[in-house]
This record gives sequence, C-alpha cells and structure tokens, in this order.
Amino acid sequence: AQSVTQLDSQVPVFEEAPVELRCNYSSSVSVYLFWYVQYPNQGLQLLLKYLSGSTLVKGINGFEAEFNKSQTSFHLRKPSVHISDTAEYFCARSNDYKLSFGAGTTVTVRA
Amino acid sequence: GAVVSQHPSRVICKSGTSVKIECRSLDFQATTMFWYRQFPKKSLMLMATSNEGSKATYEQGVEKDKFLINHASLTLSTLTVTSAHPEDSSFYICSVDSLSSTDTQYFGPGTRLTVL
Repeated sequence: AQSVTQLDSQVPVFEEAPVELRCNYSSSVSVYLFWYVQYPNQGLQLLLKYLSGSTLVKGINGFEAEFNKSQTSFHLRKPSVHISDTAEYFCARSNDYKLSFGAGTTVTVRA
Repeated sequence: GAVVSQHPSRVICKSGTSVKIECRSLDFQATTMFWYRQFPKKSLMLMATSNEGSKATYEQGVEKDKFLINHASLTLSTLTVTSAHPEDSSFYICSVDSLSSTDTQYFGPGTRLTVL
C-alpha cells in the first residue's frame, strides 16, 4: 500500500528559530505530495504541493519543501517560525485520487 | 482554492439519535467529495468518497448503514450518523476534489460530534 511516514510526532521550537518536519513516502513511479496544516478545531489548509518539475516547492506562510526522489522524502521547512505556526502538520500523498495522510507532527512554538 | 463549509460546527446529541452533517462547496461545483474522520491527536481516516448523483464508495471497515452519505447536488453532500453512540464521537471533516489532474483536495472546517 502507498504510505506516508512522518518521523516526528512532536516538534517543540523557539520563536524565530528554524524548523524542519520530516516526511517519507513509499516509492512509486509518479507521486503527488502535499503538506497541510491544521489549527486547533479547524479543517486542513493546503500549505504546498509537489506535482512535478522543480524539487524545491514554496508554499504559503513562508514554508517550503524539498522533494528528494532518491531518499523518497518530502521534508517541510521554515527558516523562522512564529507563535502562530503552532499547529498540527500533515504530509500526504495521492493514491488514485484519494489522499493518504501521515500521522501528523505537532509543532509547538514557544517565545 | 475552493471554499468549503460544514454545518454544524459542533453538535451534541443523545445516544440513539441520528445526526446530519452538511458539507457545501461554496464556489465550486464538486462532483466528488470526501468524508474523513479524525480521532483526538490522530490523523485523518478516509471514510467514503461521495459522488454526485450516485452511491458513495465506502472504505473498508466503514459501516454503510451507520454512516449514510447523500450527494444530491454539485454543491452539497451530507453525512448522517444513524443511531449514534458515544464511540461515534469524533471530528468529521469533508473535502472537495478540485477535479484537476493533481488530486488536490480542499477541506471544510470540520464538525465536532459528541454523543452522550
């Protein structure tokens, strides 16, 4: 089965520090990859997606992710986080038009 | 992206009653919508794919008679939790398929169901 693994369940980080959230996917000939953010008691908001082309994908709110085919990874990064970035982050891949989600990473930003 | 709403945002009901949750695509005609369930501090579990004008496709292990899905129009899908029990308490989220070739989905804000 096509799967997504998020390697960190919780990531505490200080305000203005960089953050990286790790995501690995099971290998496939072609793959669409996504990062979503979920704020408390809300639905999911699309941060960015990789479809093809440039391996560095820039998204909203200063986030970016790098697609690495050889390592089957799609790690999310932000160079300087804000308190408002405290949320749950989900990596996902498409699988015959459906999405398979990772377990999620809780990011807690502290002053 | 598409704007998706859900109603109600929160509902509390007694055990044995039925609850209907609406998912609306406000600015996009959605032939396909998805229903997910999310337990506390857990990931999203796909329950079913809702197709306009036809029967929903349920994922393995999801009871069709328990979770009734109706997608009667291009902008509305409903999920009815029948004879709800405390174990049905959860966060239910719908999404809209953007119909692009990229499998991008746009999500509603979710509905918190609490069954007493």
